[in-house]
Amino acid sequence: QKEVEQNSGPLSVPEGAIASLNCTYSDRGSQSFFWYRQYSGKSPELIMSIYSNGDKEDGRFTAQLNKASQYVSLLIRDSQPSDSATYLCAVFQYSSASKIIFGSGTRLSIRP
Amino acid sequence: DVKVTQSSRYLVKRTGEKVFLECVQDMDHENMFWYRQDPGLGLRLIYFSYDVKMKEKGDIPEGYSVSREKKERFSLILESASTNQTSMYLCASSPRTGPSLTEAFFGQGTRLTVV
Repeated sequence: QKEVEQNSGPLSVPEGAIASLNCTYSDRGSQSFFWYRQYSGKSPELIMSIYSNGDKEDGRFTAQLNKASQYVSLLIRDSQPSDSATYLCAVFQYSSASKIIFGSGTRLSIRP
Repeated sequence: DVKVTQSSRYLVKRTGEKVFLECVQDMDHENMFWYRQDPGLGLRLIYFSYDVKMKEKGDIPEGYSVSREKKERFSLILESASTNQTSMYLCASSPRTGPSLTEAFFGQGTRLTVV
């Protein structure tokens, strides 16, 4: 089992609709969770971080965390063509030496 | 703004060469990371460091080593480059605050081709 799992996609969503991206993780001790967006040929950029159960909203983006189910998601409302990218879920693992583990990413395509 | 700078954007090296990838951050972050990114495999952690002269193996350390002599600089070394090390290499840094890490900031990436 991978430590952080995402559906690779591609996920195709019509412009203006809600895009829903999902991520599961295996380490119950994980404490911090991040969503990064990566355009082709570019490095990842942080779009959301979430540390406690529930929802966190920032503009058109909402991150949701459920630690009991080991599940984190990202909702993008009013999807725009500029949202077309690969979305990476990342999890902070606290152990003897803390590290950040990434999922393999979900490719999102917003169709006009 | 946090700035993480990688020394090269593109690099072509020959099999067997010793290769140095340099990364510098300007925000006094304690933690630094080296990842490689390959299609379908996402970002895989090679090595990370949480303090000067400290290093920890990630998930795929074989064929690599690292050096952190100064807080702002974290170097990735390919001892003897091989074609299967052709990849995009990403450096990241993050501060360490309390028991949790905050987010990682990435450099622009180095696309390494080994021929």
